[in-house]
Amino acid sequence: KAGVTQTPRYLIKTRGQQVTLSCSPISGHRSVSWYQQTPGQGLQFLFEYFSETQRNKGNFPGRFSGRQFSNSRSEMNVSTLELGDSALYLCASSVGLAGTKDTQYFGPGTRLTVL
Amino acid sequence: AQSVTQLDSQVPVFEEAPVELRCNYSSSVSVYLFWYVQYPNQGLQLLLKYLSGSTLVKGINGFEAEFNKSQTSFHLRKPSVHISDTAEYFCAVSPPSGYSTLTFGKGTMLLVSP
Repeated sequence: KAGVTQTPRYLIKTRGQQVTLSCSPISGHRSVSWYQQTPGQGLQFLFEYFSETQRNKGNFPGRFSGRQFSNSRSEMNVSTLELGDSALYLCASSVGLAGTKDTQYFGPGTRLTVL
Repeated sequence: AQSVTQLDSQVPVFEEAPVELRCNYSSSVSVYLFWYVQYPNQGLQLLLKYLSGSTLVKGINGFEAEFNKSQTSFHLRKPSVHISDTAEYFCAVSPPSGYSTLTFGKGTMLLVSP
């Protein structure tokens, strides 16, 4: 089975721009979660999508948003980029059904640099 | 709410020596426990997980971890490390009654030298 894929792997943007990152989950997985990884804050949960609906959300400003398509692929968008948004953005997929001893599998990440 | 504490930010060790990476968690409910490894410029790879059953869990690459409910710990061990084990290791928890959102510790950098 193919793993979780993320595109692009690297991005350089300037302050004020917006960016869209893409994630394709493992086949059969319906849940996609996004995490931000920075040296200072570590790994922080952004949001989770299941069956095209946001099911859970972390403590991030509204500039961070996402969506999920009917094929379970997900995108996350960051508008009005700030220098502090520079990070590795990780996507994880899982089956997504409560009570199923669910496990998240991660993609390689997208490295976003904001100048 | 849950929280995870990884007590060591960095652990230097010589090749072929044993290693233990410590993880403690706090939660008002029972949790699932995970260890992930991150090699440079890569995503997270699942090493092992404790969901229920035997408290000693074996994972990939010769790693194992023991769940200790009374001490709320889930320490990772390997009897003999290799240079290739140099990486960052993350302990994480998720609530079993809900969905799989992970709460991570800050990570422990394992530095293996010859």
